[in-house]
Amino acid sequence: AQRVTQPEKLLSVFKGAPVELKCNYSYSGSPELFWYVQYSRQRLQLLLRHISRESIKGFTADLNKGETSFHLKKPFAQEEDSAMYYCALSRSYNNNDMRFGAGTRLTVKP
Amino acid sequence: ETGVTQSPTHLIKTRGQQVTLRCSSQSGHNTVSWYQQALGQGPQFIFQYYREEENGRGNFPPRFSGLQFPNYSSELNVNALELDDSALYLCASSLSGKRRSYEQYFGPGTRLTVT
Repeated sequence: AQRVTQPEKLLSVFKGAPVELKCNYSYSGSPELFWYVQYSRQRLQLLLRHISRESIKGFTADLNKGETSFHLKKPFAQEEDSAMYYCALSRSYNNNDMRFGAGTRLTVKP
Repeated sequence: ETGVTQSPTHLIKTRGQQVTLRCSSQSGHNTVSWYQQALGQGPQFIFQYYREEENGRGNFPPRFSGLQFPNYSSELNVNALELDDSALYLCASSLSGKRRSYEQYFGPGTRLTVT
């Protein structure tokens, strides 16, 4: 079965510092991978998905099939990036089996 | 365009009781997925409904059941409630088509407490 691991429950960086949120997965096929974000008192929302190859709010994530990783990166963290981040994997195009990691709480200090 | 809404916001039930949670999809969406999120955990997939039929199920027992209506709103029913069913229940709607699915939009969740 597919599995998503986010090794850090908490991550704290200073404003302007680079940030990397780690995500590792176990699945032998070709997964679809996502990063979701939940800001304080807001609902869960999609940040980016690997097939889009976009940079959203300065964040990027590269799928590394060799290392089975999908780490989220931003070169210069901002205070408004403070939030809960979830990595998620789906085996199917219609996401009817989506598996989430336990999440990483990012705090960006001034 | 209205977003995904869920009702009630929170409720308290006793072990052994039954509960029904409701979700109203975002306008134009034909797919609803339900998730259970225990404290400190990520959402866990319960099942998905597409055009009123179950279209995938996670590792949840049969006492978790659902419905999707012609207007694509949905219900999650849980029978014989157990203490471990205490969690935040999220629904997410999306538009699905032939070999393509678009972004899931999440509702605010229903907080269920079982005592």
